[in-house]
Amino acid sequence: IQLTQSPSLLSASVGDRVTLSCKGSQNINNYLAWYQQKLGEAPKLLIYNTNSLQTGIPSRFSGSGSGTDYTLTISSLQPEDVATYFCYQYNNGLTFGSGTKLEIK
Amino acid sequence: EVQLQESGPGLVKPSQSLSLTCSVTGYSITSNYWGWIRKFPGNKMEWMGYISYSGSTSYNPSLKSRISITRDTSKNQFFLQLNSVTTEDTATYYCARGSILRIMDAWGQGASVTVSS
Repeated sequence: IQLTQSPSLLSASVGDRVTLSCKGSQNINNYLAWYQQKLGEAPKLLIYNTNSLQTGIPSRFSGSGSGTDYTLTISSLQPEDVATYFCYQYNNGLTFGSGTKLEIK
Repeated sequence: EVQLQESGPGLVKPSQSLSLTCSVTGYSITSNYWGWIRKFPGNKMEWMGYISYSGSTSYNPSLKSRISITRDTSKNQFFLQLNSVTTEDTATYYCARGSILRIMDAWGQGASVTVSS
């Protein structure tokens, strides 16, 4: 399964509601996770099984979707959210999306 | 708290083998799944393979002829060997812990490997 993320680069203001998209080439059956990777750091698991928040992750992060289309939402963008975000499917093989780089405007 | 740390040479010559070690503390590698993932320049991430709690392995089909993942349970370490490397194998290599669903929930800091003569 190939994953296409959009946009590849997103610039938003602090406090904005931000939506990142991940589209699969086939049905993912909700076996989708989101990772955040800050510069020079290891990827951090944010969301798994489409909408389950990993322990310790702020509640401003949420996930949704079904079938082939999935979304990561940040309800109120914070400066510390600057990072690249990857989606990851584990329904059929294991593949990562191409990433969305999130910047502060 | 589980911690993972990659180690190994940062420079490998073309046609040689790339070997990395992942040292795990705070959790036994005889539980869960333990994988290798790499990130290429330009951000593309690729799952390479994993070794399970029982020692069984699964590899990315695109690498199957070149990759081997093994472990030493007495040292709580697992290993990556990638043979016949080319410059296209230049990447940051991460080791990670996976759940039964293969969700990688803990990662090492990554090891940068350059393939160059």
